[in-house]
Amino acid sequence: EAQVTQNPRYLITVTGKKLTVTCSQNMNHEYMSWYRQDPGLGLRQIYYSMNVEVTDKGDVPEGYKVSRKEKRNFPLILESPSPNQTSLYFCASSYSSRVAYEQYFGPGTRLTVT
Amino acid sequence: AQKVTQAQTEISVVEKEDVTLDCVYETRDTTYYLFWYKQPPSGELVFLIRRNSFDEQNEISGRYSWNFQKSTSSFNFTITASQVVDSAVYFCALSEAGFTGGGNKLTFGTGTQLKVEL
Repeated sequence: EAQVTQNPRYLITVTGKKLTVTCSQNMNHEYMSWYRQDPGLGLRQIYYSMNVEVTDKGDVPEGYKVSRKEKRNFPLILESPSPNQTSLYFCASSYSSRVAYEQYFGPGTRLTVT
Repeated sequence: AQKVTQAQTEISVVEKEDVTLDCVYETRDTTYYLFWYKQPPSGELVFLIRRNSFDEQNEISGRYSWNFQKSTSSFNFTITASQVVDSAVYFCALSEAGFTGGGNKLTFGTGTQLKVEL
C-alpha cells in the first residue's frame, strides 16, 4: 500500500530535550516536505527536500533541522524543543519536485512541549 | 508572494442542504496549481482535487463540484446534498509552478470547518 508513515504519532516532551520525528514514504517520491498545523493558521511549510541531500527552508524553519540521506526518509529534528513548537506536524511527499502533483500526507504527529 | 484566503471559518448546515466553501487566492505566476484537501475529525489530510491554472473547466465528482474562476481568483467547492460524513475541515491550497527552489510548496488557507447536522 502506497503510504507516508510518521513516528511517533503522539509525543509529550520537556523543553530542551532533543527529539526526532521520522517520516518514510514507499512511493519513490522525489519531493518531501514537513508542515506544521496550528489553529487559525492552517498548515505552514517548515522544510522541504527536492531530492537526496537537497533540502531547504520553508516558511517557518526556526528551531528545526532536517536531513535526506535516503530517498524514502526525511526526519524532522528538534534540537532544543520549546513550548511554541507544540503543534500538529505532517510529513508529505510528492512524485516530482518540479511539477505540483498531489502531495500525500502522513497521519500526523501531535507534539506537546512542556 | 502567494496567499490563500478562506474567509469562512465555520459553516453549519442541516443534512441534505447544499453548501459552498469559498477560496480566494493571490499569485503573480501565470502557471499555478490549486488543491482542496479534507481533514476529517480523525486528523488525516485527504486529497480531493488538483487543478492547473490553464484549465478553467468546472469539475464534478459525485456530490462534489468545483468552480474555478481566474477572473475573480477563486476556486470554490460545493457539496450537494450534504451528509454528516462530510463534516470536516476543508483546506484550499496553492502551488506556484515558477516558485524558485521549492516548486512543490503548498500554501494553505486557514481552513473552513464544516458541520453537517441531522
